[in-house]
Amino acid sequence: GNSVTQMEGPVTLSEEAFLTINCTYTATGYPSLFWYVQYPGEGLQLLLKATKADDKGSNKGFEATYRKETTSFHLEKGSVQVSDSAVYFCALTVNRDDKIIFGKGTRLHILP
Amino acid sequence: DGGITQSPKYLFRKEGQNVTLSCEQNLNHDAMYWYRQDPGQGLRLIYYSHIVNDFQKGDIAEGYSVSREKKESFPLTVTSAQKNPTAFYLCASRLTAGQGWDTEAFFGQGTRLTVV
Repeated sequence: GNSVTQMEGPVTLSEEAFLTINCTYTATGYPSLFWYVQYPGEGLQLLLKATKADDKGSNKGFEATYRKETTSFHLEKGSVQVSDSAVYFCALTVNRDDKIIFGKGTRLHILP
Repeated sequence: DGGITQSPKYLFRKEGQNVTLSCEQNLNHDAMYWYRQDPGQGLRLIYYSHIVNDFQKGDIAEGYSVSREKKESFPLTVTSAQKNPTAFYLCASRLTAGQGWDTEAFFGQGTRLTVV
């Protein structure tokens, strides 16, 4: 079946540190891959996405590259800010299935 | 502006009561979803619908019911059969897989339900 595995949290970093949150997937066919962010007390919002192998999604300084050979979609940011503190969800969708497959989420704390 | 709206933001339920959470979207999306989120936890799928008058159970449907009489609306009822309903409930919508399987979901702001 389809599944997403992302690193356990919480992740705590100092401001301006480099961030990586790992995400790997298992899917039949060729999935589309997403990162969503959830700020405290709010719903999820799309951070970035990639729809085919080797695509790089980017937004607000965050990047993730769709790696088919390693079935990965790791989220990176070169210099995090306190305002990046949130929960990050990796997700996938596949053709012919309306379900969205989410990872369990990774809570990120950025210290000033 | 197009979007998805959940109401109320906060809801309190007495033991043994049914309560209904509202979810409305004006994005012209056919697919709609309800998720439950417990503190520090991920999302668990309750129900989803890909077309009016049709819906499917998700992973934790017991104690919940839904209807999809209009494309724009997908209300969730938390029944008295749900023994531990205190949680954060999120509604989402997107194009169906047939319309755009590579498109993202849009989420409401959530409803926090507390049993008192």
